[in-house]
Amino acid sequence: QVQLQESGPGLVRPSQTLSLTCTVSGGSISSDGYFWSWIRQVPGKGLEWIGYVYYNGVTYYNPSLESRVSMSVDTSKNQFSLKLSSVTAADTAVYYCAGAGQQFLIFEYWGQGTLATVSS
Amino acid sequence: EIVLTQSPATLSLSPGERATLSCRASQSVRTFLAWYQQKPGQAPRLLIYDTSKRATGIPARFSGSGSGTDFTLTISSLEPEDFAVYYCQQRSNWPTFGGGTKVEIK
Repeated sequence: QVQLQESGPGLVRPSQTLSLTCTVSGGSISSDGYFWSWIRQVPGKGLEWIGYVYYNGVTYYNPSLESRVSMSVDTSKNQFSLKLSSVTAADTAVYYCAGAGQQFLIFEYWGQGTLATVSS
Repeated sequence: EIVLTQSPATLSLSPGERATLSCRASQSVRTFLAWYQQKPGQAPRLLIYDTSKRATGIPARFSGSGSGTDFTLTISSLEPEDFAVYYCQQRSNWPTFGGGTKVEIK
């Protein structure tokens, strides 16, 4: 059973870059057809897809965040990462990493989520 | 961006009752519509994908229907563990989610 675990700082200063990592266990991040996404949720609100990365480095981002987002993958560590630049208080959210395998962009696997707070 | 509108925002029902949740898309998503369940403090869990296909391990009391712009998630008989927030999600274009329907105990 594939499991995901997010890690990274819980507090980020305004205008800085939020950096998170997701570690995949119970399966290979290089599994054919598996796309790895980041999704966020402002506390008490709905879900927003940020983007995905494939094991070969191919990425696709939410157009509304594209100018500030970068995702990468480290197959040797079975990890993928998110960088979100120029953060503001509006970026305060629970960030989930998620995996879509059998069906493209259907999120079968989720991490537990990590709260990232933007504050000075 | 394809906007998904869920209704009602809150559904107050008793265990054993039938729940009917709606999701409307701003443009056709064909059958590329999924449903997730989220409980407090937990990540969402996939219930239904491609309108009506149940994910692995999901009980038969959960069913989905619809096509184009109008979709429905039905829970035939609510169990205590079904009281949660439900989100729809489309993958016809880059993924977007609805605002959620909270199913609460009446």
